[in-house]
Amino acid sequence: TQLLEQSPQFLSIQEGENLTVYCNSSSVFSSLQWYRQEPGEGPVLLVTVVTGGEVKKLKRLTFQFGDARKDSSLHITAAQPGDTGLYLCAGTNGQNFVFGPGTRLSVLP
Amino acid sequence: DAGITQSPRHKVTETGTPVTLRCHQTENHRYMYWYRQDPGHGLRLIHYSYGVKDTDKGEVSDGYSVSRSKTEDFLLTLESATSSQTSVYFCAIRTRETEAFFGQGTRLTVV
Repeated sequence: TQLLEQSPQFLSIQEGENLTVYCNSSSVFSSLQWYRQEPGEGPVLLVTVVTGGEVKKLKRLTFQFGDARKDSSLHITAAQPGDTGLYLCAGTNGQNFVFGPGTRLSVLP
Repeated sequence: DAGITQSPRHKVTETGTPVTLRCHQTENHRYMYWYRQDPGHGLRLIHYSYGVKDTDKGEVSDGYSVSRSKTEDFLLTLESATSSQTSVYFCAIRTRETEAFFGQGTRLTVV
């Protein structure tokens, strides 16, 4: 069974601070995705990383895929209250998506 | 844009009663999924479908069954609901090789 672990589980920071959350696995995935979920809604895709070592930027968010394709990180620069939510990583391998337990981020104004 | 509608959005049911949740997509995506989301566990796959009448089990399939008689509809049935099945249920479609698009969820409470 392929598992994804995420850390930290919870993170509470002040507006303007930087943060990094991590997604790790003992398995190799063909791709990893990051989703953000707000209360009462389904997860929404932020980005997909496919190539080992790949870095993608989405405004203040920077995503990196590990060289061995077993881990990924999400860095947020100058966090804003609108970044508050549950961040989920997911891996694809074959027909299914495997999700990590998520990092719950709270950005305080 | 892909569209998914889950129904009902909220349901309270009694232990031992059957419950069916519906997922409807407006496009013709082949893959559809049912997940449950519980605190500390993230999203766990219940069942998935890779075509009409083609389904397979996920990691937490016990107590659940599914059916897909049309491309656009994927039904999840709890044959005899138990309190451990109280959860938020999400349907998803695979819009691309590496992308899942989710519905808004169904909050199910079994009392």
